[in-house]
Amino acid sequence: SQTIHQWPATLVQPVGSPLSLECTVEGTSNPNLYWYRQAAGRGLQLLFYSVGIGQISSEVPQNLSASRPQDRQFILSSKKLLLSDSGFYLCAWRGAYEQYFGPGTRLTVT
Amino acid sequence: QKEVEQNSGPLSVPEGAIASLNCTYSDRGSQSFFWYRQYSGKSPELIMSIYSNGDKEDGRFTAQLNKASQYVSLLIRDSQPSDSATYLCAVKWDGNQFYFGTGTSLTVIP
Repeated sequence: SQTIHQWPATLVQPVGSPLSLECTVEGTSNPNLYWYRQAAGRGLQLLFYSVGIGQISSEVPQNLSASRPQDRQFILSSKKLLLSDSGFYLCAWRGAYEQYFGPGTRLTVT
Repeated sequence: QKEVEQNSGPLSVPEGAIASLNCTYSDRGSQSFFWYRQYSGKSPELIMSIYSNGDKEDGRFTAQLNKASQYVSLLIRDSQPSDSATYLCAVKWDGNQFYFGTGTSLTVIP
């Protein structure tokens, strides 16, 4: 069966600091992978998706970037965090038709 | 413009009643429809998927799809306090993106 991991689970970072969130998927190969952000009390905002190694589509041109160095690894990064980057970051993978989410990383920028 | 709309609620129902959650979408070309349940502080969990017009039942959950009217609904029979959560509707059109509504908050009152 497929499993999706995210770490860290929680993170508190000061404004201006860098960020690296990691997502890995087990039990499947060449999955479509997604990064979403959910601000407090808000809906899901698609940030990036990837259909393969090195292939990244950006939906939100902000201070975030994504990379896919390996087939089942998806990384979300920032060089300098803003207060507005606080939120619940969710990685997801796409099965045959549906999408499954990882446990998420709760980021607080102070 | 692809949009998915849900009534944000909150929706309150007594224990044992039927909860009815509704979702409308903007483009008739959509192919796949999903309902996710999200407990407070947790990631979304897929509970139902539906791809063709009509009803699909899974235990206490029934998804209903009407493509002509561009709506999809979720019925929860014999509602339990453990059903209290936010329910997200998602629609997938052609391509790799899933579009989410902002969610409906459901409270089941014991």
